[in-house]
Amino acid sequence: DGGITQSPKYLFRKEGQNVTLSCEQNLNHDAMYWYRQDPGQGLRLIYYSQIVNDFQKGDIAEGYSVSREKKESFPLTVTSAQKNPTAFYLCASSVSWTGDYNEQFFGPGTRLTVL
Amino acid sequence: AQKVTQAQTEISVVEKEDVTLDCVYETRDTTYYLFWYKQPPSGELVFLIRRNSFDEQNEISGRYSWNFQKSTSSFNFTITASQVVDSAVYFCALSEGVGFKTIFGAGTRLFVKA
Repeated sequence: DGGITQSPKYLFRKEGQNVTLSCEQNLNHDAMYWYRQDPGQGLRLIYYSQIVNDFQKGDIAEGYSVSREKKESFPLTVTSAQKNPTAFYLCASSVSWTGDYNEQFFGPGTRLTVL
Repeated sequence: AQKVTQAQTEISVVEKEDVTLDCVYETRDTTYYLFWYKQPPSGELVFLIRRNSFDEQNEISGRYSWNFQKSTSSFNFTITASQVVDSAVYFCALSEGVGFKTIFGAGTRLFVKA
């Protein structure tokens, strides 16, 4: 079955540690995205990638980093520079960044808690 | 600048009632796309519908229907004969034609009571 997988489902981090959230898709989509969702709020874009080996900052990129070395993978690293990282993180992909195929399909999410 | 407003924070209905979720958007572009997503308690967003700005036809899919009105910049979502399984947070979203990111509204939490 095609889809998006995220791991781990739950992640606990101590202050000062970097952690990496995994996102893999087998939909052959060009574009991939990372969003952050805080309780009772909408989605905010952290980073996006229109195509492999390329990525752009979203609205709240500070304290985060990404890579896109393979089409199917778009890992997100939450660094110690991110002051308030406790949140629900959602990865998504779409056939393309723009045009008639830009609806996004989402993974199950990773809930990150800083202890 | 693009903006999506979902003024209803929470709605509570009894099973079998009809319910309409409102979405108002702002954009300066003539080409844009509107979306609705459902986020059940499990957390994963599920894509429901995409509509482009040149297609104002209303759409019906089972118990779901969408009313797109450019004159009022609205893209409302109606669930007919609601069921408990419809309980979720629903997000409306907008993306402009070329090279712009998708903006999500704050979401409307729907409670359907048995």
